[in-house]
Amino acid sequence: IAGITQAPTSQILAAGRRMTLRCTQDMRHNAMYWYRQDLGLGLRLIHYSNTAGTTGKGEVPDGYSVSRANTDDFPLTLASAVPSQTSVYFCASSEGQGMRYGYTFGSGTRLTVV
Amino acid sequence: RKEVEQDPGPFNVPEGATVAFNCTYSNSASQSFFWYRQDCRKEPKLLMSVYSSGNEDGRFTAQLNRASQYISLLIRDSKLSDSATYLCVLRQGSGGYQKVTFGTGTKLQVIP
Repeated sequence: IAGITQAPTSQILAAGRRMTLRCTQDMRHNAMYWYRQDLGLGLRLIHYSNTAGTTGKGEVPDGYSVSRANTDDFPLTLASAVPSQTSVYFCASSEGQGMRYGYTFGSGTRLTVV
Repeated sequence: RKEVEQDPGPFNVPEGATVAFNCTYSNSASQSFFWYRQDCRKEPKLLMSVYSSGNEDGRFTAQLNRASQYISLLIRDSKLSDSATYLCVLRQGSGGYQKVTFGTGTKLQVIP
């Protein structure tokens, strides 16, 4: 089934640890995004990539890094996790840039930093 | 003022009822508008785009009022399966980086 796969589904992580959230899509979409969703704050963009080999910062990039070595994969890394990074993380992709084509979201990763 | 504001609800409505949500936005440069649906503990899914002339998809009707800066979603003949949180989404800009802003959502609970 075409779509976006995120892993892990959920994780409890000790503060200070490094972690990479994985995101893979099989739709050959050019643009990919990482969002975090927190109660009362809605979805906030962390990083984005308009095409393989390029990345950009979103609204809340601090403490996170991304890479886009190929079209399909867009991992998000927390270099040294802090409790404020406890959130639900969604990876998304779109055929073109921005929202013109609509976003397809992965099923999310629930991360708890303790 | 928040860029996008939605009444969080919950809107509790009986099956078969008609319910409407509004979403107001502050930036008149917003160009494209969408409604997404998000079920509990699931990812958001595109429900429909919102066009200036208004558009309808089955029981769902979306409207845009640029003068008053709001979009609306009308659901007729509500079903239990309509229970979800409805997010309004705005896009600004073209080419390069396009800013996309998500509302915090309006929760709908359809009651038997």
